[in-house]
Amino acid sequence: EVQLVQSGAEVKKPGESLKISCKGFGYSFSSFWIGWVRQMPGKGLEWMGIIYPADSDTRYSPSFQGQVTISADKSISTAYLQWSSLKASDTAMYYCASSTIFGVATLGIFFDYWGQGTLVTVSS
Amino acid sequence: DIQMTQSPSSVSASVGDRVTITCRASQGISSWLAWYQQKPGKAPKLLIYAASSLQSGVPSRFSGSGSGTDFTLTISSLQPEDFATYYCQQANSFPQTFGQGTKVEIK
Repeated sequence: EVQLVQSGAEVKKPGESLKISCKGFGYSFSSFWIGWVRQMPGKGLEWMGIIYPADSDTRYSPSFQGQVTISADKSISTAYLQWSSLKASDTAMYYCASSTIFGVATLGIFFDYWGQGTLVTVSS
Repeated sequence: DIQMTQSPSSVSASVGDRVTITCRASQGISSWLAWYQQKPGKAPKLLIYAASSLQSGVPSRFSGSGSGTDFTLTISSLQPEDFATYYCQQANSFPQTFGQGTKVEIK
């Protein structure tokens, strides 16, 4: 059974750094794109970026480029999302999601498996 | 970036109703479109991919159609468990983008 298990909720202060994780189980983690999606409180889904773990090819939304870093360690089937300096506006639920339908293709990256979400709260 | 615009933003419907949600892309995306369902406090769930392909395990009352810039998600007979928010997503080019969502509420 394919599963994505995310790290637990975080409460941080503005200016602090943070790295959250997403571990894949039950499939060939390296062979499929894995992405991150933000959902601010009461709002819709925002596509942040995506990584192909086999070669670490990473693509970002311009809205998030330079604000976060997406990485992956294929040896432990884990993807990461990190911030160097959090802001209050980073308060949101963050989901990781994998796309196993069309493999390595950059067209048709549809998220068929999702993590349970990591709630990040940034408050002084 | 490709902008995805859903309509309506919300719809009130009764069990058994046919519900149609539309999604328009700001430029052509062929058939590289997905539909997701999200219930409160839960992760989104993939319903339809490649505009009209039903994801495994999804009830056949859900269907998708369209290509190019105009797409439709149809629920043929609304069930109690279908009350949720629905999002479209384009997967034609980076950055991928989601529509703003359509909330299906109980009438």
